[in-house]
Amino acid sequence: AQKVTQAQTEISVVEKEDVTLDCVYETRDTTYYLFWYKQPPSGELVFLIRRNSFDEQNEISGRYSWNFQKSTSSFNFTITASQVVDSAVYFCALSGPLGDYKLSFGAGTTVTVRA
Amino acid sequence: EPEVTQTPSHQVTQMGQEVILRCVPISNHLYFYWYRQILGQKVEFLVSFYNNEISEKSEIFDDQFSVERPDGSNFTLKIRSTKLEDSAMYFCASEGLSRSGANVLTFGAGSRLTVL
Repeated sequence: AQKVTQAQTEISVVEKEDVTLDCVYETRDTTYYLFWYKQPPSGELVFLIRRNSFDEQNEISGRYSWNFQKSTSSFNFTITASQVVDSAVYFCALSGPLGDYKLSFGAGTTVTVRA
Repeated sequence: EPEVTQTPSHQVTQMGQEVILRCVPISNHLYFYWYRQILGQKVEFLVSFYNNEISEKSEIFDDQFSVERPDGSNFTLKIRSTKLEDSAMYFCASEGLSRSGANVLTFGAGSRLTVL
């Protein structure tokens, strides 16, 4: 069975602060895929990143960065110099070895960035 | 960027009524999905669809639910006899290669179903 835990329910920061979202996963698969999605107040789901279990390199995309630690089954997400537009619910998700998109989502972390 | 289009954006129905939610996936995509999100809760996988048949479904996807792609473009989710607990946002998604060559899943904006 697959499980994704996002222990932080809500995080509130002031603009320009960094914010790190935790994601811990459980799976019996040796090959799996991890994802982050953003859900802004408008409600759509926006893809941020897909990472396979063999690629433990950290990734940076603009103000976003991801830290994958296979040893601790964590895939944390950091927003650097947060902006009001970053306010959203962020979901971590996991899929199995096929790399398909049958995703198991975490409960989400609501990020509020105050001006 | 190509989009997944869902209609209606919001539907209100009486308990026991049939509901059909429609989705137009991205044209060259081959895999299609339905997910749902009960208000304030996590997003949950319902069903995946490939080559005109269900490839996988979750426990949520019971006999009250069905999917089809009747005309090669629309991908529909039907709920035969709605229950109060079916109230949720339903997301359609399609999977395929993006312009950059990466295999991506693109979600629609969602259809909010309210069962009274």
